[in-house]
Amino acid sequence: SAVISQKPSRDICQRGTSLTIQCQVDSQVTMMFWYRQQPGQSLTLIATANQGSEATYESGFVIDKFPISRPNLTFSTLTVSNMSPEDSSIYLCSVEGGLAGVTDTQYFGPGTRLTVL
Amino acid sequence: TQLLEQSPQFLSIQEGENLTVYCNSSSVFSSLQWYRQEPGEGPVLLVTVVTGGEVKKLKRLTFQFGDARKDSSLHITAAQPGDTGLYLCAGARSTGGFKTIFGAGTRLFVKA
Repeated sequence: SAVISQKPSRDICQRGTSLTIQCQVDSQVTMMFWYRQQPGQSLTLIATANQGSEATYESGFVIDKFPISRPNLTFSTLTVSNMSPEDSSIYLCSVEGGLAGVTDTQYFGPGTRLTVL
Repeated sequence: TQLLEQSPQFLSIQEGENLTVYCNSSSVFSSLQWYRQEPGEGPVLLVTVVTGGEVKKLKRLTFQFGDARKDSSLHITAAQPGDTGLYLCAGARSTGGFKTIFGAGTRLFVKA
């Protein structure tokens, strides 16, 4: 399985500012995913990021609020823009990988815990 | 809209007890994953089940995929405090584009 790191691991930010979260993978992967996990909740997919194309956003998430970059096959960033307290969550990146012949298992980074004051 | 219903949402048991967590859906999945997440960390993959009726064992954990690939269960035997955490099931569909649906999670607390 891939080794995934995220930076920062946590941050406390002021309302109205933006934060960029980085995700680094130790191997080349085609698909990377960004999730949000609000306190006590399960995971909600924000968008899918493929290298060389624009990210595909899920319903309720827009590029202006959550711009994503995917400059190469091992790296991606998610920016949380114009933050409000409602954006306080854990943000997780994940990659697709897994068993031979089964490519739909996801592996997750450690997450970025964001608190917006 | 695809839903993956996970139950129970919360479980508090004594050390040594057995428990079962269920995930159910009306949709067919190409595979189903179970994850465990501890506070401050990302979900860690426990198992992937692919074949209908498949049973996998991981020490005291037994995972089963339903015959129709619409449901799954996680059974823990003789639970220990170290099993405490958030358990998530996730169903994956490869047709019509890659898509993974997560259950709401089961928060397990095992008391010593």
